[in-house]
Amino acid sequence: QKEVEQDPGPLSVPEGAIVSLNCTYSNSAFQYFMWYRQYSRKGPELLMYTYSSGNKEDGRFTAQVDKSSKYISLFIRDSQPSDSATYLCAMSAQGGSEKLVFGKGTKLTVNP
Amino acid sequence: DAGVTQSPTHLIKTRGQHVTLRCSPISGHKSVSWYQQVLGQGPQFIFQYYEKEERGRGNFPDRFSARQFPNYSSELNVNALLLGDSALYLCASSLAGGGGNTIYFGEGSWLTVV
Repeated sequence: QKEVEQDPGPLSVPEGAIVSLNCTYSNSAFQYFMWYRQYSRKGPELLMYTYSSGNKEDGRFTAQVDKSSKYISLFIRDSQPSDSATYLCAMSAQGGSEKLVFGKGTKLTVNP
Repeated sequence: DAGVTQSPTHLIKTRGQHVTLRCSPISGHKSVSWYQQVLGQGPQFIFQYYEKEERGRGNFPDRFSARQFPNYSSELNVNALLLGDSALYLCASSLAGGGGNTIYFGEGSWLTVV
């Protein structure tokens, strides 16, 4: 079993839809949870950062972490064509480590 | 402020050759890490350096090595290139090495091995 599982999609939605992206993980040591957006042939861009369990909101984006279920989600409200990209979940354990474990990424297309 | 910068952006090498990739972290960041991203996969951790010391190493062969310089810039070296080394190589930096510090990525260096 992989440490982090993410459905690669592809996911196609109409403009204005609510998008739900998810990852599950197996390592209970993970404490820090991130979502990155990656446009084609570019580096990952940090979208959301959450420590431990709970919700975090930033504009149209909401990140949720449920450590008891080992499940994290990213919601995008009022999706726009410019949101079309690959979304990567990433996680790390404590201890000053930059070792992130990534999911495979979900390719999202928002159609005008 | 400049983000994480990497060079070169694209390069083509022949099997068996050696490659050096370079990275400058965000100003003030002391930790640098390297990732390999094969097409269709998420990035995989290769190395982390903090204050010029190796802090972590992923599951990569000894052909891969890295170092960090006094100005916190870093280079990744890969010897005896294989076709399977073709990938996007990403550099990331943070203030003090993750675990609560936000990690930022550069645009990457695209390596093609022929």
